[in-house]
Amino acid sequence: AQSVAQPEDQVNVAEGNPLTVKCTYSVSGNPYLFWYVQYPNRGLQFLLKYITGDNLVKGSYGFEAEFNKSQTSFHLKKPSALVSDSALYFCAVRDMRYNQGGKLIFGQGTELSVKP
Amino acid sequence: NAGVTQTPKFQVLKTGQSMTLQCAQDMNHEYMSWYRQDPGMGLRLIHYSVGAGITDQGEVPNGYNVSRSTTEDFPLRLLSAAPSQTSVYFCASRSRGGLYEQYFGPGTRLTVT
Repeated sequence: AQSVAQPEDQVNVAEGNPLTVKCTYSVSGNPYLFWYVQYPNRGLQFLLKYITGDNLVKGSYGFEAEFNKSQTSFHLKKPSALVSDSALYFCAVRDMRYNQGGKLIFGQGTELSVKP
Repeated sequence: NAGVTQTPKFQVLKTGQSMTLQCAQDMNHEYMSWYRQDPGMGLRLIHYSVGAGITDQGEVPNGYNVSRSTTEDFPLRLLSAAPSQTSVYFCASRSRGGLYEQYFGPGTRLTVT
């Protein structure tokens, strides 16, 4: 079965420190992977995606993610966290059961809290 | 561009009532979807559409109907509201060539009592 797992419900980081939000996936075939961020009372915003090519993907707001095929992981990273990065982060993978429409399977979300 | 808009922002219904959640996008996107977000469960796909006149079910379609008469609009109808439908509902859209990057509306928070 296809799935996405975010093993941590919450990640706490001090401002200025590096952050990592973990994601692992299980799909058949080559995965299309995504990270979205959700600020309080807002919809999801696209951060970055991996389709093919370089395993290190750079996205919005200084975030990057590393695709690791052998570990089936797609961890989100940032070298220096900001208080304004505090939000709910979702990892997602294209749902291969649907031929059209670009349906996504989402992880359960990780709450990132960055303290000054 | 307004992007993806949803109305209302908040709604309280009694069990058995019906209502329509509105979604509109002004980006001329072919694909539109409805998700519900529940704590600890991420987002789950309710229904989707690949173009005007074409809709299909997602993973949790029961209790919901959709139609797509225009490219811009994709309303979600709750036929007979149940407490299990208390959730936050998000509409999303993407272009055919958008490589699955979806644009989300701000959400509708629905409570069914």
